[in-house]
Amino acid sequence: SAVISQKPSRDICQRGTSLTIQCQVDSQVTMMFWYRQQPGQSLTLIATANQGSEATYESGFVIDKFPISRPNLTFSTLTVSNMSPEDSSIYLCSAQGYRDTEAFFGQGTRLTVV
Amino acid sequence: AQSVSQHNHHVILSEAASLELGCNYSYGGTVNLFWYVQYPGQHLQLLLKYFSGDPLVKGIKGFEAEFIKSKFSFNLRKPSVQWSDTAEYFCAIGGSYIPTFGRGTSLIVHP
Repeated sequence: SAVISQKPSRDICQRGTSLTIQCQVDSQVTMMFWYRQQPGQSLTLIATANQGSEATYESGFVIDKFPISRPNLTFSTLTVSNMSPEDSSIYLCSAQGYRDTEAFFGQGTRLTVV
Repeated sequence: AQSVSQHNHHVILSEAASLELGCNYSYGGTVNLFWYVQYPGQHLQLLLKYFSGDPLVKGIKGFEAEFIKSKFSFNLRKPSVQWSDTAEYFCAIGGSYIPTFGRGTSLIVHP
């Protein structure tokens, strides 16, 4: 199993600013992901954080808006850039060992943009 | 491409009632199936999983799910719910290396 610490747990930000969310896993994991979860909606995958290389983004998400870093096997950051109220959501970090194992989740970051 | 469909978005039950949440998936290959639960104010956690073998799998807190390959379904069941089961439930598949989640079902159990 893996324990994921995500911070901040919540924040209220002004539009036009940026917020960086940190995700720390207590063990080395193969894959790390960033999701967005909006009320009443499914988890939407933003990107796969690749260790030592550029993240792989899903359709509708771009690096300029959501830059991601993963300098090692246990840590990743997601930045929400030039925020607007539409970016208000819960952002989740997830990690798993390999394709046939369960995913573990951080507690999420509840972002409100005003 | 893989996809997951959860039919019930909001379910309200009284304590001791039986629960069944529907989940259907679409994927051409071998799938791994999961149910995750998110209690109020807590992070997502695994409820149960199916990789292979007995299609009836048992998870924590009395939950079980049955994989029916012919119906592409993995429904979640519990014979008698409790107030503490109030939560959001997500079905997910892991056919490719990235899990795909359903929309989620909000379950409210009245005492």
